[in-house]
Amino acid sequence: AQTVTQSQPEMSVQEAETVTLSCTYDTSESDYYLFWYKQPPSRQMILVIRQEAYKQQNATENRFSVNFQKAAKSFSLKISDSQLGDAAMYFCAHYGGSQGNLIFGKGTKLSVKP
Amino acid sequence: GAVVSQHPSWVICKSGTSVKIECRSLDFQATTMFWYRQFPKQSLMLMATSNEGSKATYEQGVEKDKFLINHASLTLSTLTVTSAHPEDSSFYICSARAGLTGVGEQYFGPGTRLTVT
Repeated sequence: AQTVTQSQPEMSVQEAETVTLSCTYDTSESDYYLFWYKQPPSRQMILVIRQEAYKQQNATENRFSVNFQKAAKSFSLKISDSQLGDAAMYFCAHYGGSQGNLIFGKGTKLSVKP
Repeated sequence: GAVVSQHPSWVICKSGTSVKIECRSLDFQATTMFWYRQFPKQSLMLMATSNEGSKATYEQGVEKDKFLINHASLTLSTLTVTSAHPEDSSFYICSARAGLTGVGEQYFGPGTRLTVT
């Protein structure tokens, strides 16, 4: 069964600094997708970034980038130039075709200090 | 981007009554919809997956007779919590996907907070 593990329940970063959130996963599939979602206090789930497993190049979306290590089954999220609005819960998620739905990690609560 | 709405955003009901939550895809046809439950400070737990016109597939441990899911059209799915009890109080989130298979991105609704007194 697919599993997603986020080992950091909480993280803190100073405004304008960089922070990395960790995520590891377990899957037997060779083709799958990985996602990072942000859930601010409003609780609306917002897609931050996605990575196709068959792509070697790490995905980047403005200040957000990932470090995808397929062999190690690691998928970390780097937030550069952190802003106060980045404060939220961040969930790592895996999608595999056989499962047909997203499997979420337990989340990391990110605080941004002014 | 695609928009998914939920109604109501917050509902309070008395123990023993039933409550219905609606999930609508506003600008796309959702062949697959998902219902999640989220307890405070926890992750999203998938309750069931429904394809339009078919019976929902429930995850292990989810009571199908208590959480009735109907996906009657390509833009509407409903979750009915029957004979609600205080332990059913939670945050319910729906998600919609345009394709039956493939990654076809899942779009999330804003959630519904259910409080059972």
